[in-house]
Amino acid sequence: GDSVTQMEGPVTLSEEAFLTINCTYTATGYPSLFWYVQYPGEGLQLLLKATKADDKGSNKGFEATYRKETTSFHLEKGSVQVSDSAVYFCALTLPSGNTGKLIFGQGTTLQVKP
Amino acid sequence: KAGVTQTPRYLIKTRGQQVTLSCSPISGHRSVSWYQQTPGQGLQFLFEYFSETQRNKGNFPGRFSGRQFSNSRSEMNVSTLELGDSALYLCASSLAGRGNEQFFGPGTRLTVL
Repeated sequence: GDSVTQMEGPVTLSEEAFLTINCTYTATGYPSLFWYVQYPGEGLQLLLKATKADDKGSNKGFEATYRKETTSFHLEKGSVQVSDSAVYFCALTLPSGNTGKLIFGQGTTLQVKP
Repeated sequence: KAGVTQTPRYLIKTRGQQVTLSCSPISGHRSVSWYQQTPGQGLQFLFEYFSETQRNKGNFPGRFSGRQFSNSRSEMNVSTLELGDSALYLCASSLAGRGNEQFFGPGTRLTVL
């Protein structure tokens, strides 16, 4: 079935380090791909998205490129800050029939130390 | 523009009881989706409503139900609560679903004792 797999956390980095969180997916057709972030005690916020192959989503220094050939959507940031500490979720929606259903990965906890 | 609001924020119930959670979407949004978040299962889709009709349903037992009103506000109901229903229940709204960006509320934390 359709699914999203993320690298397991927690990921612990020092401030200004480079971040990569791996995400791969299994889906029929051409899904839209998303990264959401959840800060403690809050709901999810959309971080970035990509709707077709080779699209690059970017926001707040985070980037991810939709790679159809490797079915991946890895999240990267060149220099993390303490305020980036949160749980990051990779997700997809299918292009037809499944409407507003988001399929999420298990989430990756990022802890950034000063 | 006001965000998605969910009430109540916290709820404690005992096994066997039922509970109703409420979600008010962003003004103009017609699609409301519900998700259950637990440490073990992660984020799982419950159902989606669009224009007062359930458009999609996840793999949950019939004890979980929902509805949407003409003003797009939505409620979900869980009957005969079980300990395993303890979770954060998140509501998300979007203009029309179908890959549109979903905006999430802060969630309702349900604890079943």
